[in-house]
Amino acid sequence: GAGVSQTPSNKVTEKGKYVELRCDPISGHTALYWYRQSLGQGPEFLIYFQGTGAADDSGLPNDRFFAVRPEGSVSTLKIQRTERGDSAVYLCASSLEPTSEQFFGPGTRLTVL
Amino acid sequence: RKEVEQDPGPFNVPEGATVAFNCTYSNSASQSFFWYRQDCRKEPKLLMSVYSSGNEDGRFTAQLNRASQYISLLIRDSKLSDSATYLCVVNHLRAGKSTFGDGTTLTVKP
Repeated sequence: GAGVSQTPSNKVTEKGKYVELRCDPISGHTALYWYRQSLGQGPEFLIYFQGTGAADDSGLPNDRFFAVRPEGSVSTLKIQRTERGDSAVYLCASSLEPTSEQFFGPGTRLTVL
Repeated sequence: RKEVEQDPGPFNVPEGATVAFNCTYSNSASQSFFWYRQDCRKEPKLLMSVYSSGNEDGRFTAQLNRASQYISLLIRDSKLSDSATYLCVVNHLRAGKSTFGDGTTLTVKP
């Protein structure tokens, strides 16, 4: 079946702009995660959804970052007033249930100029 | 100090070698543990879960020591295709939050 998909694969934006990153999880997976990964580092946890609700958003770095999952499937990560330090690969993962294997999407490479 | 620490390497080994990676975690409430593999510019993929009793999958053996808060991965008879970054992952009691180490890079040479 289809895996986790993310769009766009690459996004180049200017400092101060707003961006939206989309994640389509594996059908039937109730848990969805957002991470960001910088070169030479492991994925950094941002937020975790169980169904439609954000069960843990403790990894969001500040209030410029926000994520939604209105129907318990597709999720959107929104970043306002982007800064150069936001440049990274944003990874989405889904799992059948919390603490089980996470399946990752290919990521969105965000570059803020 | 990071919550999950790994030796970054790189580990450069010849084909057929045995190599071991270590990972330590600081949160004693951690509940489940995994090793993921990440190829260059690709997404992480699950290599294996880590159980308290230790577990083996072919050439790969994972061990967990809860008392020392330490996880290990042993790869026997290394293949060229094992070249990748290996990420240690710790899930917290607060279900869902996963903390990744920064990974250990392995290069297997002919």
